[in-house]
Parts: sequence; C-alpha cells; structure tokens
Amino acid sequence: DIQMTQSPSSLSASVGDRVTITCQASQDISNYLNWYQQKPGKAPKLLIYDASNLETGVPSRFSGSGSGTDFTFTISSLQPEDIATYYCQQYDNLGITFGQGTRLEIK
Amino acid sequence: QVQLVQSGAEVKKPGASVKVSCKASGYTFTSYYMHWVRQAPGQGLEWMGIINPSGGSTSYAQKFQGRVTMTRDTSTSTVYMELSSLRSEDTAVYYCARPLDTAILYWGQGTLVTVSS
Repeated sequence: DIQMTQSPSSLSASVGDRVTITCQASQDISNYLNWYQQKPGKAPKLLIYDASNLETGVPSRFSGSGSGTDFTFTISSLQPEDIATYYCQQYDNLGITFGQGTRLEIK
Repeated sequence: QVQLVQSGAEVKKPGASVKVSCKASGYTFTSYYMHWVRQAPGQGLEWMGIINPSGGSTSYAQKFQGRVTMTRDTSTSTVYMELSSLRSEDTAVYYCARPLDTAILYWGQGTLVTVSS
C-alpha cells in the first residue's frame, strides 16, 4: 500500500502569512494527489485535484504543486476563514489513502 | 444537483453489526463509483473501500477485509455499507463519497456510529 506522510501535523500562522504543507508518497504516484479542507463537524471539501488544479469556486490563494513523490500545498495569504484541517489524498489502483492531516490555527 | 443522503446515527453494542445507507440523487447512479470513508473522533480520514454501483463489484481496504460488505440497490439509487463484529474503535463518522476521476467531489452528511456497551 502507498503511504502518505503529511507535515506538519499542526501549524500556527498569522492572517496574511504564506502557509505551506507538504505530502510525501511512499512511491511514485505521478500527479494523482488531491488536497481537501475540513472544518469541524463538516465533510471534507475538495480544493486541489491532480496536484495542481484548482477546483471550481475555490479562491486563488490556494495552490498545489509537485509530482512523483513530493507535493506541496500553499495558501498565499492566510485568511481567518481558512482555519481548518487539511488533508492530502492519493489514488492508485488499490484504492485511496489520506495523509494524517494538518491542523491550521491562527496565531 | 448531486446529493448523497445518509441514514441516521446508530448506537451499537460490541460484537454487533451496523448497516449504513447512502441515497444518491442528481446524477446517473450507475455512472460513478462510491467510496466509504470513516473518521474517528478527533482523528483523520480513513478509506474503507469502494463499490461500483453498475455491476456491484467492490474493493475493500485490507484493514476491513472480512468485516465490511458494500452493496447497492439500483432501483432506489442507494448504496449500503455493513460493518460487523463492531468494537469500540469503530466509533466514528462514516461518509459515503462520490468521486470525480481520482478525487472525491461529493460527500454525504456523515453517519455517526457509536459502539458502546
């Protein structure tokens, strides 16, 4: 099974800061990597698909990059409404795997 | 619009089974697979398996092999997830989730299953 290592597990930043989260796959997954935002009590919301494509309606301050085994998720200017937990997710022919999550807090 | 409506919360005793339903609407039911994902309190997302509503074929995460069964009813556009031999660690919110290619675009509202003696 492909393992996803996401870091950091938690992050505290100020409004306006640039925030970066990384996800590393245990083997090459091409660009089959997606990013989600989850707020308390809610289902996850897709933000980025296929490593770097912004889902419709998602603000442009969110972006993703990477391929192969190393991926990065960035919020260019943190807003108060971005407080949430973020997950990466990979896809292969055996199923899907999520990263452990990154809990983002306002400093 | 796509909607996935799940059944209500359940409380079960250890060793029992639970069956959660997910009724789909707003799209052609047999055209998209359906995942099941769970989330224990304060924990991350855990993939359980996937069903093809068209033919009924399934693929389960190794962790749940032998304990989970996913089925579908095409006449009502409903998928089901049954988990047996429940233990306290199975207390979680269970989601059905419809993909678009490799990503999950639509989620049910979640069903809380509590396992307690």
